[in-house]
Amino acid sequence: DQQVKQNSPSLSVQEGRISILNCDYTNSMFDYFLWYKKYPAEGPTFLISISSIKDKNEDGRFTVFLNKSAKHLSLHIVPSQPGDSAVYFCAASARNYGQNFVFGPGTRLSVLP
Amino acid sequence: SAVISQKPSRDICQRGTSLTIQCQVDSQVTMMFWYRQQPGQSLTLIATANQGSEATYESGFVIDKFPISRPNLTFSTLTVSNMSPEDSSIYLCSVVGPEGYEQYFGPGTRLTVT
Repeated sequence: DQQVKQNSPSLSVQEGRISILNCDYTNSMFDYFLWYKKYPAEGPTFLISISSIKDKNEDGRFTVFLNKSAKHLSLHIVPSQPGDSAVYFCAASARNYGQNFVFGPGTRLSVLP
Repeated sequence: SAVISQKPSRDICQRGTSLTIQCQVDSQVTMMFWYRQQPGQSLTLIATANQGSEATYESGFVIDKFPISRPNLTFSTLTVSNMSPEDSSIYLCSVVGPEGYEQYFGPGTRLTVT
């Protein structure tokens, strides 16, 4: 049973437009959420995180929104750039239960010039 | 964030052999993690390695198949034993970041078993 879901395996967006990547989770114990970006032949790179006490966190072009009641979070990238083309993983953890992260299956973002 | 290196970056191994993957961090860290990413799949945690204690394995992973060493606060190894083609994956180590919640990953070791 997948505890963290990313239902879109891929997404294509035009350069300069907004990219929205979605993530759903089922475990109500999760209280910390992260987004990672992964290029081929590299390890995942931490992008942005959000605690369950917040509903929004912003860092430059990246904003993460959390809707706890819907158990849903999204990553907005605006404006999208060709260098953003990568696989994006959503991850969740229950901090009171250790540092274990549960990763979603990933969404491959392609930003078209 | 910590700088993490892994050796080897890739390898092609014969069925039935073993491979030891090294993970080196440029700062002392308490917790290190080993993940596997099978082709087309997400990252799956294999085990948590704390210095001075036995590694803690996740469901589906056992010490006989994936022995881990953690001799000091900057280094760990993961051995993939008695390999089969199903072990073909990218193996990644990670450490907890300074905030205590983020994890930072090494570049990964791409293993192909023939």
